[in-house]
Amino acid sequence: AQKITQTQPGMFVQEKEAVTLDCTYDTSDQSYGLFWYKQPSSGEMIFLIYQGSYDEQNATEGRYSLNFQKARKSANLVISASQLGDSAMYFCAMREDGTTSGTYKYIFGTGTRLKVLA
Amino acid sequence: DSGVTQTPKHLITATGQRVTLRCSPRSGDLSVYWYQQSLDQGLQFLIQYYNGEERAKGNILERFSAQQFPDLHSELNLSSLELGDSALYFCASSRSGSSDNEQFFGPGTRLTVL
Repeated sequence: AQKITQTQPGMFVQEKEAVTLDCTYDTSDQSYGLFWYKQPSSGEMIFLIYQGSYDEQNATEGRYSLNFQKARKSANLVISASQLGDSAMYFCAMREDGTTSGTYKYIFGTGTRLKVLA
Repeated sequence: DSGVTQTPKHLITATGQRVTLRCSPRSGDLSVYWYQQSLDQGLQFLIQYYNGEERAKGNILERFSAQQFPDLHSELNLSSLELGDSALYFCASSRSGSSDNEQFFGPGTRLTVL
């Protein structure tokens, strides 16, 4: 079973509009972390935002916010006021505890390709 | 610039060969992670090192191995290369034990096996 599911392979958004990228996850851990990364066409991976499973407030970083709904196991990324430079692949990822105390493993979704239209 | 460096940027080699990819983490980061990104498999976690010790293993083949040295740089060794090993290999680093644990990725090494 997929641990991280991104159901939108591709999305379009008009410049200056807001867009929501969906991510659902599956874990039995109580402590976990959720991340969003951006991968532009140049190939590098850029960290955007982090949400811990015990964080009560939704994480925000500038124009990025994470809509965390723990009971529904969803961690959607909201980008406000889209810019042309936001066109990229976006990956949702989850950090789970590893088998050894203090270790972690990371699982990534298949990504959503966002295209911002002028 | 994430502060993580990877060399080489591109590598072209033949099947059956062995290559070594190098990664230097951000200053102060103790954990190094290796990932493989290919068209068919997506982004796959391979292995994690923390302060020189192996801490977690993902989908890493037996033909692949890694280590982290006392100065915290890491090397990923790929041997008996196959065409399917062609991929972008990312290294990332983080400060394990901190409250947020976000990873910072290097620019990647693009491996092409001919």
